[in-house]
This record gives sequence, C-alpha cells and structure tokens, in this order.
Amino acid sequence: GAVVSQHPSWVICKSGTSVKIECRSLDFQATTMFWYRQFPKQSLMLMATSNEGSKATYEQGVEKDKFLINHASLTLSTLTVTSAHPEDSSFYICSARIGSWDTDTQYFGPGTRLTVL
Amino acid sequence: GQNIDQPTEMTATEGAIVQINCTYQTSGFNGLFWYQQHAGEAPTFLSYNVLDGLEEKGRFSSFLSRSKGYSYLLLKELQMKDSASYLCAVLDSNYQLIWGAGTKLIIKP
Repeated sequence: GAVVSQHPSWVICKSGTSVKIECRSLDFQATTMFWYRQFPKQSLMLMATSNEGSKATYEQGVEKDKFLINHASLTLSTLTVTSAHPEDSSFYICSARIGSWDTDTQYFGPGTRLTVL
Repeated sequence: GQNIDQPTEMTATEGAIVQINCTYQTSGFNGLFWYQQHAGEAPTFLSYNVLDGLEEKGRFSSFLSRSKGYSYLLLKELQMKDSASYLCAVLDSNYQLIWGAGTKLIIKP
C-alpha cells in the first residue's frame, strides 16, 4: 500500500528555536497533504491543507506565521514550527491524499513527536 | 516489516451490529487506536486500548488481544451517520503510529 514517511520521528528543541518536519509520499504523488496535531487520546486536529505549488489553507485558530507549510513537490511537504514554545509540544501527523478532489483516500504518516524545553 | 490489516469495505443495515476487525504485526506495542473519519473531515478519536479486554463507550466498543495481535471495533444500533471510514492505528515501540488503510463502512436503510 501507499507509504507516507515523516522525518524526524522525534525532536527535542529549546524554546525559541525553529523546527522543520518533513512529510514524504514514498511511492505515489500526493496532490494534497494534510497536517494534523494530536493530543493524547484525542482526535486529530487538522491544522492545514496544502496543495502542491500553492499556499496552504489553514484552519481557524492556527497561526500561519508560526506554522509555516511548504509543499514544493508532489511528494514532499514541510511544516516548520517557528519560535517554538513548550505549548507547541505535541505529536504532529501528516497525511497525503491520492487522486482528484473526489477521492478521499488518505494515507497517514507515523507522526513526529516534538518536545520543546 | 510492520503492517496492519483491516477489511477494505463493509456493508451493514441500519439498526444492526457490525464488527470491524484489525490485525497487526508491529515492532513493539504501546496501544491501539480506533478513529472514525467522515469524507472530507479529520479523523475523530473513538478509542484507545493498551490492555487486553473490551472497553465499552456507548454504542461503540473496542476489544484488544495483544497475544493475538488483534482488535475489533463493535458498533451497535447502527445509524446512517455511522457511514464513514474506520481507521485502526498502532503505536509501536518507538511511539510511531502505524496506520491501517481504513475500513469503509456503508450503512443501508
């Protein structure tokens, strides 16, 4: 089946630094990628939707300048947490969608655990 | 390698009961999640099992057998709004999520 990878798997950083998380679709081209944030035993919270070659669409309440998303190719999207603070510590998960607008099959990445000290 | 298997699609009748199975082979185990995802929406958390047994939460129950690498999600008194994809995901020894491909559940009147 389709595989989505994330790098790094986990990262610990100091408050005020920026962290970049990569999301790659390994064996398919993803027209759309999604970034989620997960809190323990809670639903995945959609942060933004990114389409290749265009600006990401952010969900209400998600700061665009803090969570920078770049979708430079059909196989790579990056999320940069700028000036990270302890409250940004979380599990970040990406997913990639194959196909056209009416194909709603998403493949999820393994997640990146961010800890901000 | 690591893999999670769940049926691609299931059909059930409104008011009935359906069981969605999930089998897994992962490097380590730190819990198993079930999510519900409606088309165009983010996955909604349903359950988290880390110990063997059945956990009931309203119309939904989730069962886990770690020795068998097996879980199921049981949905009772099915409603039309339960039509959705159901995702099984396992947290492995590195606390990485391994995802099943999802089971599309179709509810018929």
